[in-house]
Amino acid sequence: DADVTQTPRNRITKTGKRIMLECSQTKGHDRMYWYRQDPGLGLRLIYYSFDVKDINKGEISDGYSVSRQAQAKFSLSLESAIPNQTALYFCATSDRGAGETQYFGPGTRLLVL
Amino acid sequence: DAKTTQPTSMDCAEGRAANLPCNHSTISGNEYVYWYRQIHSQGPQYIIHGLKNNETNEMASLIITEDRKSSTLILPHATLRDTAVYYCIVSVTYAGNNRKLIWGLGTSLAVNP
Repeated sequence: DADVTQTPRNRITKTGKRIMLECSQTKGHDRMYWYRQDPGLGLRLIYYSFDVKDINKGEISDGYSVSRQAQAKFSLSLESAIPNQTALYFCATSDRGAGETQYFGPGTRLLVL
Repeated sequence: DAKTTQPTSMDCAEGRAANLPCNHSTISGNEYVYWYRQIHSQGPQYIIHGLKNNETNEMASLIITEDRKSSTLILPHATLRDTAVYYCIVSVTYAGNNRKLIWGLGTSLAVNP
C-alpha cells in the first residue's frame, strides 16, 4: 500500500463550488505539505503543517484553506473554486529531523470549469 | 525564485551514465542540495541530497564541487525507466532554523534505446 494517498485522483468541478482534497499518510511523519503544479511553473507550496496544531501559509495560499485533522491527515479546501485553480495538486510528508526529504502522494488532477 | 539553474533537457543512451549538471552559485554554507525526479506527472520522488561531500545511494551519486557552487547527479547505468524530469533544489532557510524547498523547472531527461 502507498505511504501517502490522495483522494480524489481526478476531479472536475464548476466555478464557485467548494471542494476538498484529502491526504493521508502511514509514514508516521509530523510534517505535511500541499503543493500545486502548473505547466511551466514547477511546484509551488500552498500550505504546510509541522504538527497537528501548526498550520502555515506557503507562497500561494490565497483562495485555499487547510485542516490538519490528525497527524496522518491533511486536507486542502477550495472554498469557491475558480478556473485558474485548475492544476495538479500534490500532498507530501516529511520527518521532523529531515524536513527537506519529502515523500509525495500520487497527485490530484483538478479541473475547474 | 529557485536558487538553481539546470539545462532544460538532456538525452542519454540506455545503459550509459547520465550526468545531470546543476548550478547553485548563491548557495549558503548550511544549505543542502537536494535532487528529486518526477516521472510523467506522478508525485516527485526523492533521490539524494548532500552538503559538502559526495554522496552515493542505490539510485544515484551526487558530486558537489569544492566551492559548492555546482553539482552533478549521476545515474550510473540509465534505463528507459529513468526518463523523467530531474529537479535540483537548494533549500531556503526561513524563520530561524526552518527550511523549505523552492522548486525550479528541472531537466527533462530522455533515455533512448
